[in-house]
Amino acid sequence: GQNIDQPTEMTATEGAIVQINCTYQTSGFNGLFWYQQHAGEAPTFLSYNVLDGLEEKGRFSSFLSRSKGYSYLLLKELQMKDSASYLCAVRDGDYKLSFGAGTTVTVRA
Amino acid sequence: IAGITQAPTSQILAAGRRMTLRCTQDMRHNAMYWYRQDLGLGLRLIHYSNTAGTTGKGEVPDGYSVSRANTDDFPLTLASAVPSQTSVYFCASSDEAGGTDTQYFGPGTRLTVL
Repeated sequence: GQNIDQPTEMTATEGAIVQINCTYQTSGFNGLFWYQQHAGEAPTFLSYNVLDGLEEKGRFSSFLSRSKGYSYLLLKELQMKDSASYLCAVRDGDYKLSFGAGTTVTVRA
Repeated sequence: IAGITQAPTSQILAAGRRMTLRCTQDMRHNAMYWYRQDLGLGLRLIHYSNTAGTTGKGEVPDGYSVSRANTDDFPLTLASAVPSQTSVYFCASSDEAGGTDTQYFGPGTRLTVL
């Protein structure tokens, strides 16, 4: 089976930076995804990493270390609209996605 | 372009009843997926289809069946619903099963089995 761990909740102040960590143990590895999910809505794609290193996309960045089974999602210049659940997902050797339980980020004014 | 649509939006169902959740995509994606999302457990794959005419079992397939008669539609059927199938169900699609293609999700169906 797959094992993907991420913190349950995080709280940060508007304008600040928050880092969401994700550790994983999977059967094979074909990429790591981050999704954002607002309450009552569908998950939407944020980022994809398949090689080690940092991928930057505007205020959001994602990092991957395959040897450590570790990724993080960095949210900079937090805005109220960033309050959501952030899902870490790993694509395994069979190209199936396994999701972590999600990290609920609350942004306070 | 609608992307992925799901129907119904929500449903309350008596245990033992048969129910089909509908999913349609207009992106001509080859691969489609059904997930359930439960509090504290995250999204779990029920069934998938890499291309029209083929289907496969995911992590939690028991009690569910799917069919993929064409590219656009991927219905999920609960033959005899049980309360443990109360969940939010998401359909997703991607252009390919592998590669860098991401999965795009439908709006979800909230199902309550009493």
